[in-house]
Amino acid sequence: RKEVEQDPGPFNVPEGATVAFNCTYSNSASQSFFWYRQDCRKEPKLLMSVYSSGNEDGRFTAQLNRASQYISLLIRDSKLSDSATYLCVVNPSDDYKLSFGAGTTVTVRA
Amino acid sequence: GAVVSQHPSRVICKSGTSVKIECRSLDFQATTMFWYRQFPKKSLMLMATSNEGSKATYEQGVEKDKFLINHASLTLSTLTVTSAHPEDSSFYICSASGTGAHEQYFGPGTRLTVT
Repeated sequence: RKEVEQDPGPFNVPEGATVAFNCTYSNSASQSFFWYRQDCRKEPKLLMSVYSSGNEDGRFTAQLNRASQYISLLIRDSKLSDSATYLCVVNPSDDYKLSFGAGTTVTVRA
Repeated sequence: GAVVSQHPSRVICKSGTSVKIECRSLDFQATTMFWYRQFPKKSLMLMATSNEGSKATYEQGVEKDKFLINHASLTLSTLTVTSAHPEDSSFYICSASGTGAHEQYFGPGTRLTVT
């Protein structure tokens, strides 16, 4: 079983729509969780960390469900510039290594 | 803040040659740097973790004699792909993190093509 699994999508949504997707992780002892964004042929960029109580950053809301071992990302009022691949990232152990999901592709259309 | 540079951004080399990729943290001291490889439409795969002044720790299946990593200072790590083969063609990305931090900041990546 992969450490981090994501629905690859693609999610095709119109501008202004809300889109949400999850990822699951296998290691119940995981401590840190992140969403990264990766544009085509570019490096990943940190979008937001995910905290136990859930957190919001502008139009982006992240939730963590430890009992079910999943993380979610919700994007409100989608913009064309939100089109990207969103990587679910988990720190599964005490060291600083990160495990990456394969990404969920979101395409926002005009 | 948290800017990481990587050089070169793109390299084409012949089979059997070696290629060196540099990763620099520009505005912070990176106690740990990570090297990843990413094939098209696949997730990033960690190759090795390097701490300044010590030997790199390689992930299972990554040959340390083929992928030489040097982390000589708190702002520079290098990855040398030795005796490159076409199957080594990939997107190589470094990342860096500061002391006690779990977030990693990525360099822009190096696209290696071995012909």
